[in-house]
Amino acid sequence: LAKTTQPISMDSYEGQEVNITCSHNNIATNDYITWYQQFPSQGPRFIIQGYKTKVTNEVASLFIPADRKSSTLSLPRVSLSDTAVYYCLVETGANNLFFGTGTRLTVIP
Amino acid sequence: GAVVSQHPSRVICKSGTSVKIECRSLDFQATTMFWYRQFPKQSLMLMATSNEGSKATYEQGVEKDKFLINHASLTLSTLTVTSAHPEDSSFYICSADPGGYYGYTFGSGTRLTVV
Repeated sequence: LAKTTQPISMDSYEGQEVNITCSHNNIATNDYITWYQQFPSQGPRFIIQGYKTKVTNEVASLFIPADRKSSTLSLPRVSLSDTAVYYCLVETGANNLFFGTGTRLTVIP
Repeated sequence: GAVVSQHPSRVICKSGTSVKIECRSLDFQATTMFWYRQFPKQSLMLMATSNEGSKATYEQGVEKDKFLINHASLTLSTLTVTSAHPEDSSFYICSADPGGYYGYTFGSGTRLTVV
C-alpha cells in the first residue's frame, strides 16, 4: 500500500488560495489519488480524484506531476467553512482505503 | 449522488452492554463495506472489511469477537460492539464504493459513548 505524507496543519486567511501537497512515493501504476474533506463529527466527503496531470471540478483542482509521486490539492478563495481536515489517499485495486494523518486547515477571518 | 446512511448518529450505553450500528447504501448495491474507528484529533483507522454473504476481514489488532460484523444483504452492513467498555467509546464510520469516479461514500458516523 502506498503511504501518504501531508503537512499536519495549515492556516490561511479568507479569500486566499490554499495548496496542500501530499507525497506518495510508492504509488503503483494503477493507483488513483483521491482527496477527502472531513468536518468534526462527520464522515469524510469526496472532493476530487485524479490519475495524472490536472483535474478540476467546481470546488477544487488537483495537480499531479508526471512521476505521480506527489499531488497538490488547490482550494481557490477559501472561506471559513473550508476549515476542516483534508486527507490524501491512494486508492488501489484492492478496494480498501487507509487514511494518513491528514492536514488540518484553519481558515482565519 | 450515492448515499450511505448510518444509524444511530449518537448512542450512549452502559458498560457491559452491546450496541448495534447500521450502515445502509441507499441508492447502490455494495458487496463490500468498510468500518472505521476514529478517536478525537486522530485519523480514521480501518477496523474491518464487511463482505456480503461471507465473513468479514478484520485488521490486525481488532477483536473479531468483540466487533461483530454482519453483511446480510447488498445494502446493509451492521457492526455490533459487544460487552462495550469505556475504551470502546469512539466515532465509528462506515463506507462503501458506489463505483465511478467519485471515490468512496462515507456514512455520517456514530458517536459511541460507553459509561
